[in-house]
Amino acid sequence: GENVEQHPSTLSVQEGDSAVIKCTYSDSASNYFPWYKQELGKRPQLIIDIRSNVGEKKDQRIAVTLNKTAKHFSLHITETQPEDSAVYFCAAEGTYKYIFGTGTRLKVLA
Amino acid sequence: NAGVMQNPRHLVRRRGQEARLRCSPMKGHSHVYWYRQLPEEGLKFMVYLQKENIIDESGMPKERFSAEFPKEGPSILRIQQVVRGDSAAYFCASSLLAGGSYNEQFFGPGTRLTVL
Repeated sequence: GENVEQHPSTLSVQEGDSAVIKCTYSDSASNYFPWYKQELGKRPQLIIDIRSNVGEKKDQRIAVTLNKTAKHFSLHITETQPEDSAVYFCAAEGTYKYIFGTGTRLKVLA
Repeated sequence: NAGVMQNPRHLVRRRGQEARLRCSPMKGHSHVYWYRQLPEEGLKFMVYLQKENIIDESGMPKERFSAEFPKEGPSILRIQQVVRGDSAAYFCASSLLAGGSYNEQFFGPGTRLTVL
């Protein structure tokens, strides 16, 4: 069935360092890969997404890369700040739904 | 433009009672999705509905759970005879176009169900 694996489950970085979160997916038909940020007790919010016709997309300090052949996609956050601390979820488009990864709890240490 | 709205935000039920969760999609959106998030876990798809139709309910337990999205009014997720294992955050999302097709889903604030 459709599956998305996400690593690591927790990640601590010093403020100013970079953070990388990786996901792999199983459904080769997936063409859309959003990333959501969820702060404690709040709703998931889309922070960046990528479609299969591009290999990389950047938005200020956040970038996402996609390797369709290997079925890998990654989130890169540069110059991390304390407010980046949250749980991050990757997702892959499935039939009618998103298949979410299990989440990465990112802690940015001041 | 109001976002996706869910109510109640918090719901406490005793074992055996019924829980009704409501979701009003964003204006103009006719596609609604329900996800469940257990504590410290990711979001699991439950059901996808369009107006008056259930399109995909593959993630919803066959027993005790049902969902609807009537022509008028919000989408309802109904859980009958709740058990402690139903305690979770239930998120609704809506999209402008059909599910899964390059199409951003906007999430509501969630309903946190606690079963005593």
